[in-house]
Formats: sequence, C-alpha cells, structure tokens
Amino acid sequence: AQKITQTQPGMFVQEKEAVTLDCTYDTSDPSYGLFWYKQPSSGEMIFLIYQGSYDQQNATEGRYSLNFQKARKSANLVISASQLGDSAMYFCAMREGPVDSSYKLIFGSGTRLLVRP
Amino acid sequence: DTEVTQTPKHLVMGMTNKKSLKCEQHMGHRAMYWYKQKAKKPPELMFVYSYEKLSINESVPSRFSPECPNSSLLNLHLHALQPEDSALYLCASSENPGLGNTGELFFGEGSRLTVL
Repeated sequence: AQKITQTQPGMFVQEKEAVTLDCTYDTSDPSYGLFWYKQPSSGEMIFLIYQGSYDQQNATEGRYSLNFQKARKSANLVISASQLGDSAMYFCAMREGPVDSSYKLIFGSGTRLLVRP
Repeated sequence: DTEVTQTPKHLVMGMTNKKSLKCEQHMGHRAMYWYKQKAKKPPELMFVYSYEKLSINESVPSRFSPECPNSSLLNLHLHALQPEDSALYLCASSENPGLGNTGELFFGEGSRLTVL
C-alpha cells in the first residue's frame, strides 16, 4: 500500500515567489521521520529538510520550510523566494525503521517544479 | 560535492555482458543501500547492507548481485540483464541509528545504465 502521496506531478512558479509542494503520508508507527529531497537533471538526490514525528516545531533550512500537520498527516515543503536553480524534481520520503542498524526510506512519486524567469 | 562516489557514471552493456557498479563512502557509515530509479519514477529500494551483511533484499532478480567487501565499498554485479533494467542506479549510505541521527540517506550521483 502506498504510504507517501504527492498529488502534484508538476508545478510552475514565478521567480522570487513562494511555492508549496504537497505531501501526505500514512503510518501507524508513532516514531517516524519525513524528508524532502531535490533531484536535478544530473540525477543526484540532494537532502533539503527533515522533520521528526516528535519535533514540536516545523523544520526550517534557509529558504526551505516544512509545514508539518501531524493530525492531518501532511508534510508540505515551502520554498520561499524561488530561484531558477530550484527547477528540479522534488521527492517527499518517509523513514521506516531503524531496521537492523539501517533505515528504510520510502519515496513519493515526486513533483517536478519549473521556475519561470 | 557528494561524499558518496559512484562509478561509472554511465554504462552501456549488452544482455550477455557482465559488468559491475561501484560505490564508495568514507563517512564511517555502516549502512549502505542500492536504489533503482526508472525515468520519471521515484527511487525504489533494492538492497540494504548493515555492517557488511545483507539485511534487506527487496525481491530483486538474481541477475543483480550485491557485494559489500568492506564498510566503505558496495558493489552491484550485473549479469544477463534485460533492456527493462535500464535505469539510474543510486547508492546511498547512512549513519548508524542512535540518539540525534535522523536516518538521512546520503546519495551518490548515480550510475546511468543502458542495456541494449
């Protein structure tokens, strides 16, 4: 069963504006972690931001913030002041585990963001 | 620059060939991962090694054979692949579970494989 849902296959945003990428998840584990990764056309997965299930405050990393609504099981990524270099694929992921000293990350289907000049 | 290094970056092979993908990290991580990513799809977990032992195999066909010679190296041996195995193969590593560790995966740039 799918546990991470990204409902926006593609998004456009004007340069310098803010954009929100949606992510909902489903888990019965009270301890979990949520991640956002950026994947440019080069292929590398770049870590952006992390939110733990017990974290009281929404995570922020520079221009990235995570709008964490635990009761609604959503973890939306907000990118402020979009730049042309933000054009990429964005994946939401949920950590299961740890399992035997490792972690199992499950990825959503992704949202392709295009920043317009 | 990524601290997980994958070679080669591109690989073209025939269905009868034997080739290997290599991954190296020097962050002291004891868990290493292989993910497969088809075009316009999310990464899918293939294998997980923990302390050089295979801990997760996501029902991957035997034509893919992982190997972890030591804590810094991870190989993926390829034999008798099919054209549908063409994909981006991503290697990742993670810190050991512990207080303060988030479970973040550190990814390499990937090896783009084409099977003819």
